Amino acid sequence: GENVEQHPSTLSVQEGDSAVIKCTYSDSASNYFPWYKQELGKGPQLIIDIRSNVGEKKDQRIAVTLNKTAKHFSLHITETQPEDSAVYFCAASFYGKLTFGQGTILTVHP
Amino acid sequence: GAVVSQHPSWVICKSGTSVKIECRSLDFQATTMFWYRQFPKQSLMLMATSNEGSKATYEQGVEKDKFLINHASLTLSTLTVTSAHPEDSSFYICSASKGLPGFEQYFGPGTRLTVT
Repeated sequence: GENVEQHPSTLSVQEGDSAVIKCTYSDSASNYFPWYKQELGKGPQLIIDIRSNVGEKKDQRIAVTLNKTAKHFSLHITETQPEDSAVYFCAASFYGKLTFGQGTILTVHP
Repeated sequence: GAVVSQHPSWVICKSGTSVKIECRSLDFQATTMFWYRQFPKQSLMLMATSNEGSKATYEQGVEKDKFLINHASLTLSTLTVTSAHPEDSSFYICSASKGLPGFEQYFGPGTRLTVT
């Protein structure tokens, strides 16, 4: 089955800095790669996603890049704000169930 | 749109009793619904996948007789934890997908289950 590795497990940045979280996946058949933000006690919220036929996608301060050859994808958050502090999960899917990474605790210091 | 609700948001039950959790897609019809379990400071683990009108598909290691899933309509799925034990205490989260399965799962707010 699919295996998703996520790094780092914790990330601390100053407000205004950029944050980068990286994930690798094992199943070359995976074709959908979403990123979720989860705040304490709440369900995950989809923040951005990318399909395997696209190399990069951007939505305001958030961008995701995908390297199918290397089987890794990354989340980039620019101009971080304290409200970006949360746990971020990457996931990979092939027309079905999502396999999640271990999560990254992002802390943005004012 | 694409709002998913869960009820209850939290529940406390005694060991040996059963608890039912509802998951509803409020503004779309969900072809597929998923149930996840999340322990503190851990990632989400898929428990089962359900399609309306058919039996759920359980992940390896998940007891289907203990975690009963019913997907009665395109907007409602229920998870019943039968004969609950303290080790079943966890955060249970559902998600729903419209259109092609595997794309754009929308998650509910989760249900905190505590078994005493």
